[in-house]
Amino acid sequence: NAGVTQTPKFQVLKTGQSMTLQCAQDMNHNSMYWYRQDPGMGLRLIYYSASEGTTDKGEVPNGYNVSRLNKREFSLRLESAAPSQTSVYFCASSDQPRSPLHFGNGTRLTVT
Amino acid sequence: SQQGEEDPQALSIQEGENATMNCSYKTSINNLQWYRQNSGRGLVHLILIRSNEREKHSGRLRVTLDTSKKSSSLLITASRAADTASYFCATDRGATNKLIFGTGTLLAVQP
Repeated sequence: NAGVTQTPKFQVLKTGQSMTLQCAQDMNHNSMYWYRQDPGMGLRLIYYSASEGTTDKGEVPNGYNVSRLNKREFSLRLESAAPSQTSVYFCASSDQPRSPLHFGNGTRLTVT
Repeated sequence: SQQGEEDPQALSIQEGENATMNCSYKTSINNLQWYRQNSGRGLVHLILIRSNEREKHSGRLRVTLDTSKKSSSLLITASRAADTASYFCATDRGATNKLIFGTGTLLAVQP
């Protein structure tokens, strides 16, 4: 049982490059989330999808886009990466909104 | 802005001692959750307490919730070296589906 799988695990980008972070869950969960974690800031919500077909902004959505491709997959796209987006990105899923979250192990992104 | 704020930011104790972490929040909530994060890993859910509950237990964990003070505490009894991790509280914001995390408490349990 894989749970929440994130790819890639590590990535280095140059300023202005684009990339998509992939996330897939095999628990048949309805809700999925993207967070970023920075030292001293805890986790901040970027975007979330309460159910398939819906997405909503979180606390820090600027510079990001998301796609809920199907019930299993929720991707996060950086169209033009900036050094301020250097962070660890976590995907999570839950059975329904406000239920306990199951997290992936993160993608460590560095933008130079 | 952060919904939850944990204190202390860091806590160092000896194995066998109890560890208490506190979380304060700003707006009304439906429930409050606690998570643990080991270094380099994703967060793991520990316990959920609903706004109409005052105390909840799970193994060596005890969580209290005081909605009048907008605060919660997590007590880990008889701590072990394996409890070394960061601990986060997370709250929803009333009618929204957002789950917002605090800044965390880094717990170090010395063997």
